[in-house]
Amino acid sequence: DVKVTQSSRYLVKRTGEKVFLECVQDMDHENMFWYRQDPGLGLRLIYFSYDVKMKEKGDIPEGYSVSREKKERFSLILESASTNQTSMYLCASSPGAYQPQHFGDGTRLSIL
Amino acid sequence: KQEVTQIPAALSVPEGENLVLNCSFTDSAIYNLQWFRQDPGKGLTSLLLIQSSQREQTSGRLNASLDKSSGRSTLYIAASQPGDSATYLCAIHGSSNTGKLIFGQGTTLQVKP
Repeated sequence: DVKVTQSSRYLVKRTGEKVFLECVQDMDHENMFWYRQDPGLGLRLIYFSYDVKMKEKGDIPEGYSVSREKKERFSLILESASTNQTSMYLCASSPGAYQPQHFGDGTRLSIL
Repeated sequence: KQEVTQIPAALSVPEGENLVLNCSFTDSAIYNLQWFRQDPGKGLTSLLLIQSSQREQTSGRLNASLDKSSGRSTLYIAASQPGDSATYLCAIHGSSNTGKLIFGQGTTLQVKP
């Protein structure tokens, strides 16, 4: 079974802090994704990556950046956290484009 | 722009009932469609994936169908159980959006004992 592990289930940070969310997958998948999920807005894609050191903007990249130095690890960075970034963050991976995506358990991030 | 809609937003049924969840999409140029389950406070679990050339996929008590021409998919759950209570999401891989998934808002199902 594919295992996608997100480093924290719950995280509380303060406005202005630099925040790192980590995601690791163990199936040598090419593609990795970061989403945020908000009530009434559903899941929205922030960034995705098709290969090491490659990244593509999703639908809502503003205020975020990503890093993929190794194939198995995809990090989401909030450069200067703001309260409107309080959300559930979900990481996913897939073997290739159009292949099934496998999700981690999510990180519930609160920015105070 | 592709839009995915799931109606109803919530559904409550008695245990043992067969039920159908609906998903509709506006652009029939899709690559495939994936159904997920999400338990409260958790991530998404992939249930079924239907390729655009397929009409249906089955896994245990679950059966997903796809009608591209009408822009519809259904998820049929047979003999529902309380453990089926969760939010069910459908998501589209559009054929022109480089593999990004477009999600519906989900249907929250409650199966009462």
